[in-house]
Amino acid sequence: QKEVEQNSGPLSVPEGAIASLNCTYSDRGSQSFFWYRQYSGKSPELIMSIYSNGDKEDGRFTAQLNKASQYVSLLIRDSQPSDSATYLCAVNIATSGTYKYIFGTGTRLKVLA
Amino acid sequence: NAGVTQTPKFQVLKTGQSMTLQCAQDMNHNSMYWYRQDPGMGLRLIYYSASEGTTDKGEVPNGYNVSRLNKREFSLRLESAAPSQTSVYFCASSEAHNGLGTDTQYFGPGTRLTVL
Repeated sequence: QKEVEQNSGPLSVPEGAIASLNCTYSDRGSQSFFWYRQYSGKSPELIMSIYSNGDKEDGRFTAQLNKASQYVSLLIRDSQPSDSATYLCAVNIATSGTYKYIFGTGTRLKVLA
Repeated sequence: NAGVTQTPKFQVLKTGQSMTLQCAQDMNHNSMYWYRQDPGMGLRLIYYSASEGTTDKGEVPNGYNVSRLNKREFSLRLESAAPSQTSVYFCASSEAHNGLGTDTQYFGPGTRLTVL
């Protein structure tokens, strides 16, 4: 079983709709959870981090974490064509005095104008 | 404040050639990482350095070596390049040791390497 799993997509949503991206992870020792956005040909850019169970909102983005179910999600409200990108879910695990980051393979989001 | 910088941006090598990818960060971060990203494979950790003077293997270390030159710089060396090493390479850094469990990783712009 992969340590961090995401549906590769593409997930297509119309402009103005809510996009829902999901991620599951296998290591219960994971401490922190991240969503990165990656445009084609660019490096990953941090959108949201979440550390506690529940919801965390930042503008149009809401991250949701359920540690019991080992599930983290990202909601994008009022989706815009500029949100079209690949979204990477990541978790970190403490190891040898630092943290190792495990990434999912990403979900490609297409927002249709 | 440039964040994480990488050189070169693009490189083409012939099989068997060697090269070093350079990475530097100006955020005073303790930990640095090298990843490769291939289509459909996501980001895979090659090597990481928890702090100055230490390095450890990640998921795919074969064919690579690293040097943590000082706190700012972390280089990745390909001694004898192979076509299977054609990829996009990202360097990243994180503060670590913040005692809060809220460490966050930041990425450089990447190096696109082609091995013929």
